[in-house]
Amino acid sequence: DTEVTQTPKHLVMGMTNKKSLKCEQHMGHRAMYWYKQKAKKPPELMFVYSYEKLSINESVPSRFSPECPNSSLLNLHLHALQPEDSALYLCASSQDLAASTDTQYFGPGTRLTVL
Amino acid sequence: SQQGEEDPQALSIQEGENATMNCSYKTSINNLQWYRQNSGRGLVHLILIRSNEREKHSGRLRVTLDTSKKSSSLLITASRAADTASYFCATGSMRFGAGTRLTVKP
Repeated sequence: DTEVTQTPKHLVMGMTNKKSLKCEQHMGHRAMYWYKQKAKKPPELMFVYSYEKLSINESVPSRFSPECPNSSLLNLHLHALQPEDSALYLCASSQDLAASTDTQYFGPGTRLTVL
Repeated sequence: SQQGEEDPQALSIQEGENATMNCSYKTSINNLQWYRQNSGRGLVHLILIRSNEREKHSGRLRVTLDTSKKSSSLLITASRAADTASYFCATGSMRFGAGTRLTVKP
């Protein structure tokens, strides 16, 4: 199984809502990533987890809160978002963060709209 | 911050033609990777070239790397309409260039 799944596919939320994005992989990968992608732009790294510990936080606002409950799951908790946070949120995984030839496997993304 | 920068930003060709995209980067690298993204979907890994390699092939894809010029190119031969997508280079494993939007007209 070389698939990364993400739920939901689409999410519309108000600025006062609390919601969560979920990501799952069963490839035994020990590194997992969240990216944000605006239209016609490349993915921007947000967070990296390595062996279930937060390894990189790219100075992301605290209204985004990542969580890695176990080696297969990655969540992104959303609270008090702004309309400019509307984007495609991509999850990815790779075998090992430390490997110099690590390849990432991406999920299909969650299209988030903040009203 | 992004380390790879692609050009052109957009490329439109006819089916059967070859497409060449270029990527430049600023710092030393261990490897460079190319990914494809169909509209609004996740990225798919295409090919990885190590810093000690100069050329690599995979099917209709040919990647070159010139570390002295800090640049790489991706050539897609005999393009198909299904190759229509955005193509990104990535140095290391986490940071992507601006991308080239390729349109292949049937």
